[in-house]
Amino acid sequence: DTGVSQDPRHKITKRGQNVTFRCDPISEHNRLYWYRQTLGQGPEFLTYFQNEAQLEKSRLLSDRFSAERPKGSFSTLEIQRTEQGDSAMYLCASKTGGSPLHFGNGTRLTVT
Amino acid sequence: DQQVKQNSPSLSVQEGRISILNCDYTNSMFDYFLWYKKYPAEGPTFLISISSIKDKNEDGRFTVFLNKSAKHLSLHIVPSQPGDSAVYFCAVLGGSNYKLTFGKGTLLTVNP
Repeated sequence: DTGVSQDPRHKITKRGQNVTFRCDPISEHNRLYWYRQTLGQGPEFLTYFQNEAQLEKSRLLSDRFSAERPKGSFSTLEIQRTEQGDSAMYLCASKTGGSPLHFGNGTRLTVT
Repeated sequence: DQQVKQNSPSLSVQEGRISILNCDYTNSMFDYFLWYKKYPAEGPTFLISISSIKDKNEDGRFTVFLNKSAKHLSLHIVPSQPGDSAVYFCAVLGGSNYKLTFGKGTLLTVNP
């Protein structure tokens, strides 16, 4: 059990560029979540997968955002045409059954 | 509208004394409550939880109290240690039972 792994840890991009983040959950965890955290706020729910099925998307997830979990293992979060308001920490978390959410260390995105 | 409120952005206590962190929620349908701790540049880490059928749960130096009628929970840390200095998030689960909703967090500083 190596924990939830996220890559990259930091990403600086120019406004209008596309970015993609990867999350590798704990191997036996069938549920995977993406959250976003901005300064002074708690983590905000973005989307949730059970195995490969995306079961809910928050209204925070505009149509510029897309998430996938193609084989029910790792997940990617893509942001197209980034805006300065997308600057945040993007957190991935996973769980199984009644266990609590286990978070990765996040990807910090800075849009200049 | 904030469903989970942590009204104290920060708290400072002396080593060895008690730290009390508070959290209020608005929806009586929430039925499971968690506390997470977050160090800088790391993801949130699960600390302790309580279900709505209990009013107290204890784990070592950490105790969570739940007052359902007041829709209030608190985390007590005693004795506080400098390594406890971190941001503490209250989180709630309920309704659909798969999605955590977080408060904004309280920065605890334990002074040696």
